[in-house]
Amino acid sequence: AQTVTQSQPEMSVQEAETVTLSCTYDTSESDYYLFWYKQPPSRQMILVIRQEAYKQQNATENRFSVNFQKAAKSFSLKISDSQLGDAAMYFCAYRSALMIKAAGNKLTFGGGTRVLVKP
Amino acid sequence: DVKVTQSSRYLVKRTGEKVFLECVQDMDHENMFWYRQDPGLGLRLIYFSYDVKMKEKGDIPEGYSVSREKKERFSLILESASTNQTSMYLCASGVLVGFNEQFFGPGTRLTVL
Repeated sequence: AQTVTQSQPEMSVQEAETVTLSCTYDTSESDYYLFWYKQPPSRQMILVIRQEAYKQQNATENRFSVNFQKAAKSFSLKISDSQLGDAAMYFCAYRSALMIKAAGNKLTFGGGTRVLVKP
Repeated sequence: DVKVTQSSRYLVKRTGEKVFLECVQDMDHENMFWYRQDPGLGLRLIYFSYDVKMKEKGDIPEGYSVSREKKERFSLILESASTNQTSMYLCASGVLVGFNEQFFGPGTRLTVL
């Protein structure tokens, strides 16, 4: 079974600065997907960024970028130019690329990292 | 926009009561999921469904059951609520094919007294 570990329960960043959230995972599969989800306080979880394991190029979405190290099974998220609206819980998640109907496309989540943004 | 709604944001029940949590999605997604969210543990999958009337156990199915009679609706049932089922419950939906995300509902915070 796959596991996802986020070793930082909480991170604090000054507005306009950069913060990096770490995520490691364990899997025996070679093809899979990785996601970062954001859960703002009292609001719905939304996707921030995603990465396909067979793509070496790191994904980028505006101020959010990842550092995907497949051999090390590491998938960190960098938030640049942090804004007050970035304050949230961030979850790293893993999904197998196998398209088996009965397996669904279920996600395995890490424990989450709370990001605090200081004005 | 994809919309996933849950029947209640907050729910307080007593030990032993039967509890129904309902989730509705409007994007014709095949897959629907129920997760439980607890501090430090992230989200853990309780059950999922890949088609009407089809269900599969997730990682923590004990004490829960589910029902999917219509494609857009997925219900989570606590047959006899216990205090250790106090938690945030999140519903999600998605499609099987392709590199796709799951869309989440707002969550139901359930307190069992």
